[in-house]
Amino acid sequence: GDSVTQMEGPVTLSEEAFLTINCTYTATGYPSLFWYVQYPGEGLQLLLKATKADDKGSNKGFEATYRKETTSFHLEKGSVQVSDSAVYFCALKKRDKIIFGKGTRLHILP
Amino acid sequence: DTAVSQTPKYLVTQMGNDKSIKCEQNLGHDTMYWYKQDSKKFLKIMFSYNNKELIINETVPNRFSPKSPDKAHLNLHINSLELGDSAVYFCASSQDPSSYEQFFGPGTRLTVL
Repeated sequence: GDSVTQMEGPVTLSEEAFLTINCTYTATGYPSLFWYVQYPGEGLQLLLKATKADDKGSNKGFEATYRKETTSFHLEKGSVQVSDSAVYFCALKKRDKIIFGKGTRLHILP
Repeated sequence: DTAVSQTPKYLVTQMGNDKSIKCEQNLGHDTMYWYKQDSKKFLKIMFSYNNKELIINETVPNRFSPKSPDKAHLNLHINSLELGDSAVYFCASSQDPSSYEQFFGPGTRLTVL
C-alpha cells in the first residue's frame, strides 16, 4: 500500500545550521506531497505542498521539491532558528486520504 | 476565534469506562476527521465525515463510534476503554474531501489507567 518514510529523529542542530530532513514515498499514480509541522502542544499545520513532479513547495524559508524519479520530497532550510524546533511530518495525499510519515523531531540549540 | 477546537484537552480515566471527545470547527468546512497519535508521534487516520456522512472508516475497534450531528461538529465516543487507547486524538477539518490542506485542532491527550 501507499506509505511515507522519513528519517528517524531527533535531529539536533545549532542555530543558523543547514537543515535537511529526508522523505521518500511509495505510491501508485501521482500523489500530492506535503510537509506538516507540529509545534509543542499544538495540532499540525500545513508547512508546504507540491502537487506534481518537479514542483517546489516553499514557506517560511523551508523548501521541498517533488522528485518523481527518486520518489522523494526532502525538506530543506538554509539557516534554522530556535523557533523551528518542532516535529515535522512528511505526507502524501491520494483520493480523500492523507498518509503521514512517522514524524521527525527537530531540536535547534541557541 | 479558534478554527478547530476540541474538548477536553486532557482526559484521564480508568480502564473499562466510556468517554467522549468533542470537536467543533467554525471554518465552514464540509469534511472532518479524527486521527490518533501514539506515543511515538505516529499519526493515523481513524474516521472521516463529509456533510455528516461517513466516508473513511479505517480498521478501528467497534468500541470507537464517531457521531456528526451537523457538519460543524464531529464527536468521538469510546466504550470500554483499554490501556492501548492512551494517545493524543486530533480532530481536523478541510473544505471538502479533495482539499489539499487539513486544519487540525490542538488535540486531546487521553490517558487510560
